[in-house]
Amino acid sequence: NAGVTQTPKFRILKIGQSMTLQCAQDMNHNYMYWYRQDPGMGLKLIYYSVGAGITDKGEVPNGYNVSRSTTEDFPLRLELAAPSQTSVYFCASTPLAGQGVSDTQYFGPGTRLTVL
Amino acid sequence: DQQVKQNSPSLSVQEGRISILNCDYTNSMFDYFLWYKKYPAEGPTFLISISSIKDKNEDGRFTVFLNKSAKHLSLHIVPSQPGDSAVYFCAARFGNQFYFGTGTSLTVIP
Repeated sequence: NAGVTQTPKFRILKIGQSMTLQCAQDMNHNYMYWYRQDPGMGLKLIYYSVGAGITDKGEVPNGYNVSRSTTEDFPLRLELAAPSQTSVYFCASTPLAGQGVSDTQYFGPGTRLTVL
Repeated sequence: DQQVKQNSPSLSVQEGRISILNCDYTNSMFDYFLWYKKYPAEGPTFLISISSIKDKNEDGRFTVFLNKSAKHLSLHIVPSQPGDSAVYFCAARFGNQFYFGTGTSLTVIP
């Protein structure tokens, strides 16, 4: 059971380039989330999904897109990268709320992205 | 606007003593609160949680207290151990979204 995996671990992009951050979980969790963490700040929610085919915006969605075609995968797409998107990106998953679990989120190890 | 705040960026405690980490929030609609622990270059890991209908939850050395009238929660670690040195985030849930504080870096001195 790998939990939540993220690739790549590190990436440097030039301004205007695009990339996809990959996230996968093998726990059959319905809920998945993307966060970014800037230095000295807490985690800010970018997008989340409550199940395959369903996504919604979080606090800071501008400049990002997501899709959820399967329960396992939740990729985050950056179009036209900007220096303001330099951050550490975390993916997380949660079991379906109300199933008698603590509703905690299980996090991946993060992707450190630098845009120059 | 930061809905969950951790006003102490850092805290140092002697091994064996109590560590108290604090968190304040502004949204009275939060129904669930969590504490996470984070080591460098790793994702946060769940530590302990509390429902808004309770005022205390205990798990081993970790206890979380919730004061709804003050919109304040705290994490107590007793006794503190060097392995507890990490960044601690509090988080609060509203609907399907979680809101995180900025973290407190705890150093436990042997």
